[in-house]
Amino acid sequence: KAGVTQTPRYLIKTRGQQVTLSCSPISGHRSVSWYQQTPGQGLQFLFEYFSETQRNKGNFPGRFSGRQFSNSRSEMNVSTLELGDSALYLCASMDGQGTNSPLHFGNGTRLTVT
Amino acid sequence: GNSVTQMEGPVTLSEEAFLTINCTYTATGYPSLFWYVQYPGEGLQLLLKATKADDKGSNKGFEATYRKETTSFHLEKGSVQVSDSAVYFCALRSQAAGNKLTFGGGTRVLVKP
Repeated sequence: KAGVTQTPRYLIKTRGQQVTLSCSPISGHRSVSWYQQTPGQGLQFLFEYFSETQRNKGNFPGRFSGRQFSNSRSEMNVSTLELGDSALYLCASMDGQGTNSPLHFGNGTRLTVT
Repeated sequence: GNSVTQMEGPVTLSEEAFLTINCTYTATGYPSLFWYVQYPGEGLQLLLKATKADDKGSNKGFEATYRKETTSFHLEKGSVQVSDSAVYFCALRSQAAGNKLTFGGGTRVLVKP
């Protein structure tokens, strides 16, 4: 079974631009979560989608948004990019709904904002 | 709220040495506990998990026991290899906190031949 696929692997954007990141979960997984990883803040939860509905949201400004499609694929959008948005963005999928189900992560998209 | 504290690295070891990475947590409700590993340039891989008190998770020679009385989930491996060099993250998830994963800061491990 294919793992979680994130595209693109690398992105370079300029301050003020917007960016869209894509995530394809493991086949059959209906939950997709997004995390931001930076050296200073570590791993922080952005949001989770389940069956096209946002189920949980972290403490990020409204510039960060996401959506999920009927095939469970998810996109994350960041508008009006700031230098501090430079990070590794990780997508994870899960096949259950309970706390016992592990998250399976993709290799991430490395975003650099200049 | 939930929080995870793990020992800061880097931890430098020789091959075949014993590895321990300490992890303690604070949680709302009854969390599940996880260890993830991140190799350079890659995402996170699930190493092991434990879902209730006294459970022992194990995988690839690594072990961790869910200790509710000490709110700990320390990772151990008896004999490390160079290929174990990576960053290790302790994490928890509880339904009371909306099922999101809360991570520790990560511990970098470097194993020298």
